[in-house]
Amino acid sequence: KNEVEQSPQNLTAQEGEFITINCSYSVGISALHWLQQHPGGGIVSLFMLSSGKKKHGRLIATINIQEKHSSLHITASHPRDSAVYICAVLRGTGNQFYFGTGTSLTVIP
Amino acid sequence: NAGVTQTPKFQVLKTGQSMTLQCAQDMNHEYMSWYRQDPGMGLRLIHYSVGAGITDQGEVPNGYNVSRSTTEDFPLRLLSAAPSQTSVYFCASRGELGGEYFGAGTRLSVL
Repeated sequence: KNEVEQSPQNLTAQEGEFITINCSYSVGISALHWLQQHPGGGIVSLFMLSSGKKKHGRLIATINIQEKHSSLHITASHPRDSAVYICAVLRGTGNQFYFGTGTSLTVIP
Repeated sequence: NAGVTQTPKFQVLKTGQSMTLQCAQDMNHEYMSWYRQDPGMGLRLIHYSVGAGITDQGEVPNGYNVSRSTTEDFPLRLLSAAPSQTSVYFCASRGELGGEYFGAGTRLSVL
């Protein structure tokens, strides 16, 4: 079983919708990383967080350490948000990231 | 400031051939790593380095070698390519706040 589970695996939304992508993990962590990967493209860091909430533009990331859960929200979604969103956790011990398999988001105009 | 630069972007090899994937970063990051990305699986760590002269194995190191002679460069060598090594490879370096900076990726096919 993967230590990092993301849901949903695939998501299709209409432009303007509010989107939530979830990440659950089973180990103690020191930080959690949200990444974005466009089709055929590279991987870009969105957020790095260890507690609470962070916001950047239309993107909001939250983490609940006790429940071992994080969410990535996109407000007023746009077709350019179409990408794969990847959650990764940095274990409390060691220095390696463990990655979820990603959530593929398609936003339809 | 170019970030993390990977070359080549695409490569086709025959089984048994060797090659080196190049990775360079200009951010003076100590920690660098190589990942492979396969369909339906999360990124998996191949090798990593916490500084010049220091390397260690990740989750899937077999068939790959690395070295770290300088802070900037972290090449990945495929010793004798196999079809199972067909994948997309990403090099990354880690910033002071802990986030990973990724290169653009190398799409490798082994026939």
